[in-house]
Amino acid sequence: AQSVTQPDIHITVSEGASLELRCNYSYGATPYLFWYVQSPGQGLQLLLKYFSGDTLVQGIKGFEAEFKRSQSSFNLRKPSVHWSDAAEYFCAVVLGKAAGNKLTFGGGTRVLVKP
Amino acid sequence: DAGVTQSPTHLIKTRGQHVTLRCSPISGHKSVSWYQQVLGQGPQFIFQYYEKEERGRGNFPDRFSARQFPNYSSELNVNALLLGDSALYLCASSPSYGGNEKLFFGSGTQLSVL
Repeated sequence: AQSVTQPDIHITVSEGASLELRCNYSYGATPYLFWYVQSPGQGLQLLLKYFSGDTLVQGIKGFEAEFKRSQSSFNLRKPSVHWSDAAEYFCAVVLGKAAGNKLTFGGGTRVLVKP
Repeated sequence: DAGVTQSPTHLIKTRGQHVTLRCSPISGHKSVSWYQQVLGQGPQFIFQYYEKEERGRGNFPDRFSARQFPNYSSELNVNALLLGDSALYLCASSPSYGGNEKLFFGSGTQLSVL
């Protein structure tokens, strides 16, 4: 079955330390890939997306993600975390334009930032 | 420019009631999608409407319905509410059916069913 997996439910990181959030997908073809961030009670803000081309994608707020076809992964990274990065992060995929806006989301990773 | 706006922001209903949630897309966007986000989970796709026609439906019962108006705004209706319908309902808009490069989400409507 097609799925998106975020293996880490919670991650705690110290302010200034690096952060990596994992995302794996299970699809027959390479989908379009997204990372979103959600603050409590808020909607989703797009951090970055990958459709094709360079497998290292730069996003907003200093985030980047790397697409690895061989591992069916799209992991999100940030070199130095700020307290304001505490939020929930969602990986999402869509099977190309033909699938419209039918995104499939992972279960999310909640990031806590220690001072 | 205004983003995707949803109303109301919060809503409390009792089991068996009906609810209508509203969404106004970004100006120029013709597609509206609805998602349900249960506490502690990722959002789940409910519907997509494009040019006033339903173009996608997720795995939700017939109690869930939606429509899109000529101005591209949209309503999500849920009949015979169940406790399990308590969730954050998110609306997203994009310029076209597959316009995921410009897909934007609203802040959602928090529905509580008692």
